[in-house]
Amino acid sequence: EAGVVQSPRYKIIEKKQPVAFWCNPISGHNTLYWYRQNLGQGPELLIRYENEEAVDDSQLPKDRFSAERLKGVDSTLKIQPAELGDSAVYLCASSLDLLAEQYFGPGTRLTVT
Amino acid sequence: GQQVMQIPQYQHVQEGEDFTTYCNSSTTLSNIQWYKQRPGGHPVFLIQLVKSGEVKKQKRLTFQFGEAKKNSSLHITATQTTDVGTYFCAGRRTSGTYKYIFGTGTRLKVLA
Repeated sequence: EAGVVQSPRYKIIEKKQPVAFWCNPISGHNTLYWYRQNLGQGPELLIRYENEEAVDDSQLPKDRFSAERLKGVDSTLKIQPAELGDSAVYLCASSLDLLAEQYFGPGTRLTVT
Repeated sequence: GQQVMQIPQYQHVQEGEDFTTYCNSSTTLSNIQWYKQRPGGHPVFLIQLVKSGEVKKQKRLTFQFGEAKKNSSLHITATQTTDVGTYFCAGRRTSGTYKYIFGTGTRLKVLA
């Protein structure tokens, strides 16, 4: 069975440019998470979806970040405009439900110059 | 807000020595998960603890959940070079959005 797929794996952009990340969760997983991980730190939740509904986006900087999960499957996370402080690894994870283990994708390493 | 701290931040051990990382929450947790992240990799699920005082074992790894469900530990017996990585705990809140809060992580290096 395929794991969580993310693309791109790496992205380098200049500040003020837009960027988008894509995530395809494991088939049948209702819960989808987007995390941001800075170097040497643990993953920080940005947004969590239960099917197509965003149930926790309290840590998402809504002035520049947006996310969607159409049809409750794939998800896209967008940053517009990017700032230098957005440089990090963006991880997508999915699970059967909130109580189940989370399966992480390989992440997208974003560098903003 | 709720915080989950882990100690130590770093640990270097000789191969064959034991290793323990501790996870402490400022509030009571519903359940706790443990993950391992190899250098350059992504977090991989190890185990989940739900019950107060629960102890689970996976080969050389022993996981404990405190009686008050506010702390947890991971103990590795006789470390091997394959144990290298960062170990994270993730505690789930008992209220609000029930989200998981990841700990600060313990980075383990094993010297052959």
